[in-house]
Amino acid sequence: DAGITQSPRYKITETGRQVTLMCHQTWSHSYMFWYRQDLGHGLRLIYYSAAADITDKGEVPDGYVVSRSKTENFPLTLESATRSQTSVYFCASRNGFQETQYFGPGTRLLVL
Amino acid sequence: GENVEQHPSTLSVQEGDSAVIKCTYSDSASNYFPWYKQELGKGPQLIIDIRSNVGEKKDQRIAVTLNKTAKHFSLHITETQPEDSAVYFCAASKTGNQFYFGTGTSLTVIP
Repeated sequence: DAGITQSPRYKITETGRQVTLMCHQTWSHSYMFWYRQDLGHGLRLIYYSAAADITDKGEVPDGYVVSRSKTENFPLTLESATRSQTSVYFCASRNGFQETQYFGPGTRLLVL
Repeated sequence: GENVEQHPSTLSVQEGDSAVIKCTYSDSASNYFPWYKQELGKGPQLIIDIRSNVGEKKDQRIAVTLNKTAKHFSLHITETQPEDSAVYFCAASKTGNQFYFGTGTSLTVIP
């Protein structure tokens, strides 16, 4: 059972390029989340989804787009990457009955 | 929105000693307080959590206490071991979706 996986694990891109980070979970969790982790800020919520086709903004949504056509996938797209989006991105999921969120291994993104 | 502050940012203890990490929160409506452990290169992993209707919770060497009046909660690790070395994050939430994290505590257990 893979649980929650993220791809790619490492990505280098240039300013202005579009980048998509993938998140896949095998638990059939209804809720999925995207966070970014930066020194001095801890983890901050970007977007979350309560179910397929239902998404909502978190604390820092600007510059990001999400979609959720299937329950198990929750891709995060940076439509025009900026240097300030250099960060480590974590995907998480939870079921509808508990608050506990389970995190993926992360994607380290560098925008040059 | 919610503001979670975490102290200290770094903590070194001798193996076998206890470690305490403290967090404060600002929104009195927050009712769920998880603690996560993050090892280098990995995602955060839940180690213990507490809800606002409980004052203390223990799981073997780990305990969490919550003071709703003062709006602070703490993580206590007893009999520390080298494998406890990691970064620990506290968080607060009132919906189960919007988690507000502290800035982390890097714990080093010296053998």
